[in-house]
Amino acid sequence: DADVTQTPRNRITKTGKRIMLECSQTKGHDRMYWYRQDPGLGLRLIYYSFDVKDINKGEISDGYSVSRQAQAKFSLSLESAIPNQTALYFCATSDTRDRGDTQYFGPGTRLTVL
Amino acid sequence: GENVEQHPSTLSVQEGDSAVIKCTYSDSASNYFPWYKQELGKRPQLIIDIRSNVGEKKDQRIAVTLNKTAKHFSLHITETQPEDSAVYFCAAIWSGTASKLTFGTGTRLQVTL
Repeated sequence: DADVTQTPRNRITKTGKRIMLECSQTKGHDRMYWYRQDPGLGLRLIYYSFDVKDINKGEISDGYSVSRQAQAKFSLSLESAIPNQTALYFCATSDTRDRGDTQYFGPGTRLTVL
Repeated sequence: GENVEQHPSTLSVQEGDSAVIKCTYSDSASNYFPWYKQELGKRPQLIIDIRSNVGEKKDQRIAVTLNKTAKHFSLHITETQPEDSAVYFCAAIWSGTASKLTFGTGTRLQVTL
């Protein structure tokens, strides 16, 4: 089955460390997104990319950066992790050929910053 | 940008009863409204969606209604079952940029026996 995968699934790190979260998809979708989920706050958009050469900030991009290495890969980096970046991170994809608005989520990465 | 409010934050119903979750949105030009279900420890999964040219859509026990004038939409689950217990998120698309979704803060539905 075509899917969206994320690595790692869980990560514990220390304040100040650089962390990279990776997302890969076999759905053939062109659009990819990174979200953060915190209890009581829902899902908030960090960055999104509509194709390999397109990167856009979402509502909470400060402290994060992204790289779209290929159509199927979209990585999220925390340059210097801080405790309030402890959260559940989801990658998602959508397909321009299908209007582009239906998003499919990966399994999530639980990040803890000590 | 878009702002989406979702109520209630928690909802407890008895098995077999109906559940209704409501969302309001701010951008009158929004035209796509999906609902996602997230089971404990799992990813959000699309369960139903509606576009602004339709007032209601049904899929077996779930339905979504949209009132464009009032800028609100609702999820209706009938004959609830224990497996309906999950967190439900509504969302609305930003009209200015295709594909950017703004999510509500979620409703935790508990179906009790």
